[in-house]
Amino acid sequence: EIVLTQTPGTLSLSPGEGATLSCRASQSVSFRYLAWYQQKRGQAPRLLIYGASSRATGIPDRFSGSGSGTDFTLTISRLDPEDFAVYYCQQYGSSPYSFGQGTKLDIK
Amino acid sequence: QVQLQESGPGLVKPSETLSLTCTVSGGSISSYYWSWIRQPAGKGLEWIGRFYTSGSSSYNPSLKSRVTMSVDTSKNQFSLKLSSVTAADTAVYYCARHVGATPYNWFDPWGQGTLVTVSS
Repeated sequence: EIVLTQTPGTLSLSPGEGATLSCRASQSVSFRYLAWYQQKRGQAPRLLIYGASSRATGIPDRFSGSGSGTDFTLTISRLDPEDFAVYYCQQYGSSPYSFGQGTKLDIK
Repeated sequence: QVQLQESGPGLVKPSETLSLTCTVSGGSISSYYWSWIRQPAGKGLEWIGRFYTSGSSSYNPSLKSRVTMSVDTSKNQFSLKLSSVTAADTAVYYCARHVGATPYNWFDPWGQGTLVTVSS
């Protein structure tokens, strides 16, 4: 099983700032089969990024993903108040699929 | 636009079987992979298992001995059964569709989730 480790656990930033979230895999993720989801309190996760760097439909271009192999990054430029939430990475290249433990993005 | 809705008992007794159904609307259940994912309160996401409408399935080894998934294509529904539940199975349970025609795809959309509490 691939274990995903997200850092930091909590990130406190102000609206307008940029955010960098990291996801490290215990072994290489096949074909960059990595997704990022945003989850707000009481809601289901929402797909942001798939294939490590492709934005899902309707996702603002201030969200971008990068990386390959074992190291992946979600970057949010110019934080909007609605961006403060929990973010999860997920690998879907091998079964069992696995999720990181999440990064909570807090308003400073 | 495809929408998913989970349903089932919100309270299950320890040692009994948790049973949930996911109803798919706005599209066909056929020719897609579907998964169940759960999330204990305040914790992260755990993939439970997936199946294809032809009948093939794959479960998380951590739950494999207790999980069964099935589909009713006539009702556009699929189901999850988790046996011998304990308090550790208390969680919000989500159903989700895999994008694309292979199992190795991301999840979109997700259902809104349903809370299942295991307690006597």
